[in-house]
Parts: sequence; C-alpha cells; structure tokens
Amino acid sequence: GAVVSQHPSRVICKSGTSVKIECRSLDFQATTMFWYRQFPKQSLMLMATSNEGSKATYEQGVEKDKFLINHASLTLSTLTVTSAHPEDSSFYICSARPGTSRNIQYFGAGTRLSVL
Amino acid sequence: QKEVEQNSGPLSVPEGAIASLNCTYSDRGSQSFFWYRQYSGKSPELIMFIYSNGDKEDGRFTAQLNKASQYVSLLIRDSQPSDSATYLCAVTNTGNQFYFGTGTSLTVIP
Repeated sequence: GAVVSQHPSRVICKSGTSVKIECRSLDFQATTMFWYRQFPKQSLMLMATSNEGSKATYEQGVEKDKFLINHASLTLSTLTVTSAHPEDSSFYICSARPGTSRNIQYFGAGTRLSVL
Repeated sequence: QKEVEQNSGPLSVPEGAIASLNCTYSDRGSQSFFWYRQYSGKSPELIMFIYSNGDKEDGRFTAQLNKASQYVSLLIRDSQPSDSATYLCAVTNTGNQFYFGTGTSLTVIP
C-alpha cells in the first residue's frame, strides 16, 4: 500500500523558534499534499493544500506567513511553523494523494509539537 | 450546515456484535467516500473507500453508499475490542478538497 512518511514524530521546542516538519510519499508521486492540525479530542482541521510546484492554498484563518508550506517535489512537502508559541502546540498530520488514484489520500503518522 | 455530519457518539457495542456507523453529506456532486479509523494519539488509517451506490465488503467491514439519500455507512461485523477507535467519514468531489466529519467514537466492550 501507499506509504507516507512524516518526520519528526515528536518535537519539543522553546517559544520563538521555528520548526520544520517533513512529509514524504515513499512509493508514489503525490500531486497533492494536505496539512492538517488536530487538537485533543477534536476533529481534523485542514490547514492548507499544496500542489507540487505551486503555492499552497491556505484555509480561512490560517496564517500563511506563520505556517510556511513548500511542495518542492512530487514526493516531498514541508511545513514550517515559524516563531512557534505555546498555542501552536498541536498534532500536525500530513496526507498525500497519488496522481493515479481515485482521490484516495494517505496519512503520515503525524507530528506532535509541544512549544514551551 | 456542515458538509459532512456524523454522530459523535460514543457508540458502545458488545464484543461480537455489529457496529453501525453513519455519515451524511451535503454536496450532491460528491464522488468518492472514505472511512478512516483513528486511534487516540495516532493519525487516521484508511479502512474503506466506496464510489458507487450499494455495498462494498472487505473482511469484517462493509461500506454502504446511497447517493440519492446522501449517506454512507460503515458496518463492522464481529466487533473486537481492537476496533475501539474514532471513525472518520470523508467525502470529496474532485479530490482537491476533502471534507471530514467530526468522527464517531466507538467502544467495543469485551
């Protein structure tokens, strides 16, 4: 099956630092990748959609200068949380959609970010 | 009106029983329908996908789609304690935007 690797799985950082999260599709080319955030006991919240080689489309209320997304290749997308603050602490999950699939998206394992 | 609605539960069933999870959606143009399972603290895992009206079976899981009534359901037969999780319904039209329900929490009681 399709595998999406997300790294790191857990990060703890000081307030004001930037954190980069990588999302890689290991055995397929992902034309579209999605970034979600999930708070405890709440549903997934889509942050942005990224297509390879173009700018990400951010959902309403998500600051694009705060959450930088780069989809440099068909197998890699990165999310950088800039100047992280405690309120950014959350579970961040990426997913990828193969170009050949019928709209199936596969999720990475998620990154738990804790900002002190 | 939310795009995708699910009963948040919690839904409790005894071990060995059938668990029935339901989902309704608002966009009549939706083409693809998915069920994901999410364990606490983990990311969603694809369980089933269905594109056509009717039933689709995979092991203990059966997805049912009724586009006229705009609902999709998931049946879990012979429920096991390991099935205890939150089940997310997802819907998409073109594949460029997916709409997720808030999830139904299922507990299978040994």
